[in-house]
Amino acid sequence: QKEVEQNSGPLSVPEGAIASLNCTYSDRVSQSFFWYRQYSGKSPELIMSIYSNGDKEDGRFTAQLNKASQYVSLLIRDSQPSDSATYLCAVNEASGTYKYIFGTGTRLKVLA
Amino acid sequence: DVKVTQSSRYLVKRTGEKVFLECVQDMDHENMFWYRQDPGLGLRLIYFSYDVKMKEKGDIPEGYSVSREKKERFSLILESASTNQTSMYLCASSFSSGNYEQYFGPGTRLTVT
Repeated sequence: QKEVEQNSGPLSVPEGAIASLNCTYSDRVSQSFFWYRQYSGKSPELIMSIYSNGDKEDGRFTAQLNKASQYVSLLIRDSQPSDSATYLCAVNEASGTYKYIFGTGTRLKVLA
Repeated sequence: DVKVTQSSRYLVKRTGEKVFLECVQDMDHENMFWYRQDPGLGLRLIYFSYDVKMKEKGDIPEGYSVSREKKERFSLILESASTNQTSMYLCASSFSSGNYEQYFGPGTRLTVT
């Protein structure tokens, strides 16, 4: 059973701090990795995708991938109360397969 | 901007009714998906389509069917709605090669009474 594991939280950080969200996955053939943000009652919104080992930055967001250790993380710099949401990690084999495996998400609370 | 739309945001149906949920994407994506999301269970794949008229069962297809007559449109059908199908239903789409980013529609909150 392929799995994606996330700490459910809540992860509470003060406004302006760095929030660090982590995700581990079980399937070594996974090649594509995605972070989604989901506000309560809304659908997931894609924040970042990452395919290669290392860091990928987009504005206040940085995704980090380590395939040898099978983890992917998301850093949110200068956290804002509007970042308070559930963050979903997803992986895919990137071979045209339809199987995207989602974690159950980490709830982030940014305290003003 | 990628746009995935769903026919209804909220829907209330009675047990035994046939329910149609529609999804349309405007990015020429080959792949389209239907998920349901329930608290504590995360996203679960119901059905997937990789081309017009092509479909594959996901993890929880029982009680559901799908239709894809046009590339941009993917419909989910609940043949005879039951209370345990009360859920948030999410449609998504993606390319089948190159960029595998999956984009979601706004979701349909279905309540079966």
